[in-house]
Amino acid sequence: EVQLVESGGGLVQPGGSLKLSCAASGFTFSGSAMHWVRQASGKGLEWVGRIRSKANSYATAYAASVKGRFTISRDDSKNTAYLQMNSLKTEDTAVYYCTIAVAAPFDYWGQGTLVTVSS
Amino acid sequence: QSALTQPASVSGSPGQSITISCTGTSSDVGSYNLVSWYQQHPGKAPKLMIYEVSKRPSGVSNRFSGSKSGNTASLTISGLQAEDEADYYCCSYAGSTWVFGGGTKLTVL
Repeated sequence: EVQLVESGGGLVQPGGSLKLSCAASGFTFSGSAMHWVRQASGKGLEWVGRIRSKANSYATAYAASVKGRFTISRDDSKNTAYLQMNSLKTEDTAVYYCTIAVAAPFDYWGQGTLVTVSS
Repeated sequence: QSALTQPASVSGSPGQSITISCTGTSSDVGSYNLVSWYQQHPGKAPKLMIYEVSKRPSGVSNRFSGSKSGNTASLTISGLQAEDEADYYCCSYAGSTWVFGGGTKLTVL
């Protein structure tokens, strides 16, 4: 059974940093691209970025809204993906989901972790 | 990287059919057959309902169908049921990135 479990969310001040984790199981993690998607309260889904597999050079891509501030990485030995968020803004407040494409885009999702950016 | 355009809300009575549109551009919806649709109930993670424009994952009811014409994709739900009431999001590949629609709230009257 595929499982994705996010952690690391919490309250952070504007300009601060936070690192989220996504622990994965039930599929071949090392061969899969890992994505992050966020959702502000009462708002829609926003794709944040992704990291591809080692076979694809761990290539990353990001939404324009987070490029240069957020960094996605992975540790295949731990079956875990990370989202490092720097220079956080109030508008980054959202539930952050990790998601994958096993048989189709974003066919499995974690339960999400809440990030609140506030002073 | 603008969000795809969806109607904010649609409604229908049980047993009826509804269609939700999703309009993008020639850089996303119009260029790739990688449009998917997600259902989200309050407080829950999204659930994949349609992928690659018109394919249904195992376990998704055949009441859900998808199509695309030009820069616009559509999700049709036939035989509406109370449990279909949820938010629906389209999503398209946009060449190394992905873009979601703003979401449509479906109300079953």
